[in-house]
Amino acid sequence: DQQVKQNSPSLSVQEGRISILNCDYTNSMFDYFLWYKKYPAEGPTFLISISSIKDKNEDGRFTVFLNKSAKHLSLHIVPSQPGDSAVYFCAASGGAGRETSGSRLTFGEGTQLTVNP
Amino acid sequence: DTEVTQTPKHLVMGMTNKKSLKCEQHMGHRAMYWYKQKAKKPPELMFVYSYEKLSINESVPSRFSPECPNSSLLNLHLHALQPEDSALYLCASSPLGIDIQYFGAGTRLSVL
Repeated sequence: DQQVKQNSPSLSVQEGRISILNCDYTNSMFDYFLWYKKYPAEGPTFLISISSIKDKNEDGRFTVFLNKSAKHLSLHIVPSQPGDSAVYFCAASGGAGRETSGSRLTFGEGTQLTVNP
Repeated sequence: DTEVTQTPKHLVMGMTNKKSLKCEQHMGHRAMYWYKQKAKKPPELMFVYSYEKLSINESVPSRFSPECPNSSLLNLHLHALQPEDSALYLCASSPLGIDIQYFGAGTRLSVL
């Protein structure tokens, strides 16, 4: 049962244009959502996150939008740069216990973004 | 500094070997995590340590044995692994109560 889904395995965009990566989830207990970027031979790097009490969070070129009713979030990268080419993972967490037991992240399968010069 | 250091970067072992993976962080994080990632798949949580005590075990086979000797170190002891255990093993850490986890570069494990 895949609780976090990224339905596009790959996305290709031109430099300077907008990249939009999508993520859907099924578990209503999720209340915090994160995007990670991963280059080959490196671990995932935290990019941006959003709490379920918000519908938008922005950090420089990166904006995450959350639609709770649709259980959908998206990451917008504007403008896209060749250095943004990487695998992007959506992750979600929720439920009690994070203050004492640590957080349990559930990841989507990732989207390979390629930004062409 | 958000660095999590994992050693070794690569490891090849036979099915009868015993080996250990090591993870270190100096950010003062009291939660540390082990994940397993197979090719073209997402990271999957294996273990969570909170205040050096095992708080979550995601039904991982006993041939994987985690250890947290102190607040900065996390080990994963490996024994009698199977070829299907070949994967990238990722360590992460976070402050307790915070969902943002910081990952190491991983150990690429091959079991022959």
